[in-house]
Parts: sequence; C-alpha cells; structure tokens
Amino acid sequence: EPEVTQTPSHQVTQMGQEVILRCVPISNHLYFYWYRQILGQKVEFLVSFYNNEISEKSEIFDDQFSVERPDGSNFTLKIRSTKLEDSAMYFCASSSGTGESPLHFGNGTRLTVT
Amino acid sequence: GQSLEQPSEVTAVEGAIVQINCTYQTSGFYGLSWYQQHDGGAPTFLSYNALDGLEETGRFSSFLSRSDSYGYLLLQELQMKDSASYFCAVRPRGYQLIWGAGTKLIIKP
Repeated sequence: EPEVTQTPSHQVTQMGQEVILRCVPISNHLYFYWYRQILGQKVEFLVSFYNNEISEKSEIFDDQFSVERPDGSNFTLKIRSTKLEDSAMYFCASSSGTGESPLHFGNGTRLTVT
Repeated sequence: GQSLEQPSEVTAVEGAIVQINCTYQTSGFYGLSWYQQHDGGAPTFLSYNALDGLEETGRFSSFLSRSDSYGYLLLQELQMKDSASYFCAVRPRGYQLIWGAGTKLIIKP
C-alpha cells in the first residue's frame, strides 16, 4: 500500500537555526498538508498546498515557515529561524481530494529545538 | 473561536463496547472525521460523516447529528490493539481540519 514518507525521523537543532523537513506524499495525491503535534497535545493545522501553491494556512504558519514542492515528488517545510516553542512532531499528509477524502499521514519528524 | 470537546480518557474491558463522544463549535461544517493514533505513531483515518446518521466500518461505527453539533465513535468487540488515542476532527471550510484534544482509550483484559 502506498504511504507518505518523511525524513528525518528526528531532528535536533539549536535555536535560531534553519531546518528543512522533507516529505514524499503518495504519488497520485493532489493535496498536501503539514500538521504539528506538541507532545501530548492535539494535532494543529499548519498549511495546505494544492496546484503548486498554498491553498490555506493557519495563524501558526507565520513568516518563519515556508513550503515548497521542488521537484514534483518532494514536499518540504522550512523553518527559517527555529524557536524553542517549535519543538514538536511535524506530520506531513496527503489526500486525493478534499471533503471525505481521508488524510494519509507520514510517521512524522520529531523536531527538538535546544 | 473554534473548538472540539471530547473526553480525555476512557477505560473499557477487552471484548466490550465503548463510545467516544465529540461535540464541536466551528464557524462552518463540512464533515466530522475520526482518526486513531497509537503512541509515537501517525494518525490513521477511521471514518468520516458528512450527513446525519450512522456509518459502519467493521467493528467501528461513527454517528453524527449536525443539529446537535455532536458525534461519536463506537468501538465494538474491543481488542487490546485498540488501545490508542482517538481524535475527532472537523473541516469547517477550505482545507484544514480542526482537531479535538484526543481521547486516550485504555483497555483492560
């Protein structure tokens, strides 16, 4: 069964550094998302991406964040200058449509900012 | 604001039936989804309700009442592997899902 893959599984970085989290969505999916989950808390929407542009973003997704689909298969999330409060599990997801189309999540990247 | 309320923890016995409730207050509503998440794992999709009524998928069923802004997930014939956190999520508009805080299901033998 096709799956969403994310790398790395764990990233440790120092405050103020840039990080890039990578994702390979399911190949025939058209909609891509980044969510994050602070340990033990709920899942929070960051951004959705469709047709090579951001379709929606949350208040969390400020100027420090950016997304890119550089080559038709990878989907990346960049955090320009990490803060301690960016420490969380970051999940990439993809779907074939909206509405009742389920999100397929990757196993996540645990980002630790020290 | 937008919010979803669900119990933080539910305990049940293996083989039993358990219901996890979810009430929501959102600016719009396109549907209610349920996801399962095992510790350290990715959320996995369980069910989706856009219309009132019951949706059944094997041992799992999900119910929606839009007039009450309420839904529930029903798990039957509980197995130890069902021990996980269960999240309800609403798509109020556009593309994003708003998630509840999750219900940790503890199953005892």
